[in-house]
Amino acid sequence: KQEVTQIPAALSVPEGENLVLNCSFTDSAIYNLQWFRQDPGKGLTSLLLIQSSQREQTSGRLNASLDKSSGRSTLYIAASQPGDSATYLCAVNRVGNQFYFGTGTSLTVIP
Amino acid sequence: ETGVTQSPTHLIKTRGQQVTLRCSSQSGHNTVSWYQQALGQGPQFIFQYYREEENGRGNFPPRFSGLQFPNYSSELNVNALELDDSALYLCASSLAVGTSRFQETQYFGPGTRLLVL
Repeated sequence: KQEVTQIPAALSVPEGENLVLNCSFTDSAIYNLQWFRQDPGKGLTSLLLIQSSQREQTSGRLNASLDKSSGRSTLYIAASQPGDSATYLCAVNRVGNQFYFGTGTSLTVIP
Repeated sequence: ETGVTQSPTHLIKTRGQQVTLRCSSQSGHNTVSWYQQALGQGPQFIFQYYREEENGRGNFPPRFSGLQFPNYSSELNVNALELDDSALYLCASSLAVGTSRFQETQYFGPGTRLLVL
């Protein structure tokens, strides 16, 4: 069974810092990996989707990388802002019809 | 705003009751997946529907059942509710086409928060 782990579980940084969130998965036979953002009590907002054939994706201040062979992905957030405070979840799509989620990293950006 | 809507937003039920949750997928999407998210956990896959047929199921008992309608909206039904069914229920829609049909971005709704007393 696919296991997805996210480290750290919580992170607190001052505004303006660059930061990295980590995601690891046990089965490298994935179709793609997706990073989501979740605000308290809300649904999930898709941030970036990386297909298995890709190494990275970028959107604005966000950059996600994927190393499928080692079972790792990172989400890099540049110049963090208080509005970035949320829980960040990574999910891997292995069998083509379901995503396996990690438990998330709770990010707080302090003004 | 993903265009995926869910109803109701909140629901309180008692043990043993039955509940129906509804999801309207994003316009043009033909696939709906349902997830259960317990407090402090990541979402867990319940099942997926593609063109009105179940297309995969996670580790959930048969009292969790679903439907997808011709307009691709969907329902999640849970019978004989248990206290542990208290969670945020999320649906996600996507467009499945061609050979990579289930590998596309999933767009999530805001969820239905279910409390079982």
